[in-house]
Amino acid sequence: DADVTQTPRNRITKTGKRIMLECSQTKGHDRMYWYRQDPGLGLRLIYYSFDVKDINKGEISDGYSVSRQAQAKFSLSLESAIPNQTALYFCATSDPGTATYNEQFFGPGTRLTVL
Amino acid sequence: AQSVAQPEDQVNVAEGNPLTVKCTYSVSGNPYLFWYVQYPNRGLQFLLKYITGDNLVKGSYGFEAEFNKSQTSFHLKKPSALVSDSALYFCAVRDKNNAGNMLTFGGGTRLMVKP
Repeated sequence: DADVTQTPRNRITKTGKRIMLECSQTKGHDRMYWYRQDPGLGLRLIYYSFDVKDINKGEISDGYSVSRQAQAKFSLSLESAIPNQTALYFCATSDPGTATYNEQFFGPGTRLTVL
Repeated sequence: AQSVAQPEDQVNVAEGNPLTVKCTYSVSGNPYLFWYVQYPNRGLQFLLKYITGDNLVKGSYGFEAEFNKSQTSFHLKKPSALVSDSALYFCAVRDKNNAGNMLTFGGGTRLMVKP
C-alpha cells in the first residue's frame, strides 16, 4: 500500500550493529504496528502504538525498541543486531474510527539480513 | 489466548479449477476473521473479513470465505483459479473482546496455480 512506506527496503548488516527501520504513513491513522515475518511462522507482533504517547510491547519485543516521533512516523530499532533477527519486517496502520475498523494496512516490508 | 492454524504450507491448483485455502481458529469469545494476500516483494493486502452477519463473505479478486462457527473455520475459496492468484495467503483472527485490535496470524499458505 503506497500510503504506508518503509525505509530501507533491504538492509544487510553485521552482528552487533545498531539498525533503525523507519515507517511513515499518510493515512492519518493513529494506530501503528511493527511485525516480523519468518517462513512458516506468519507475522508476529513486535510493538504497537495507539498514539504518540502510547507504546506497547507485542509478542516478541526482546531485542527491539521503537520510537513514535509523530502520528505519521514509527521507527523500529535493533540495538545490537543478531543473526536470528534476520527476517522480513512490516509496518502496519489501522484506525478504529473509520468504516475499515479492524483492517490493517501494510507497508511493502524491509528485508533485513544480519551476518 | 487466540490462535490460527493454516494446515497446508502449499496448495497446488490448476488454472480454472476451484481452490480452497484452509484456516481454523481459536478464540475465547467471538472472532473477527481476516484474509490477507502477499504477492512477491509486496506487503500484505487485505482480501476480506468476517465481522458479523452472513457467514459467506465476499472479497476482492473474486475470493470468498465461509465462517463456520461449529467447526471454528474460515476457509478461503474461489470458484475458478487464475495463475495470477499465485501468492502467499494469511488468515488472521482477533477476539472481539480485544479492544487493542491485535491480530494473530497463521503461518501462511502458498497458493500455486498452474496453467
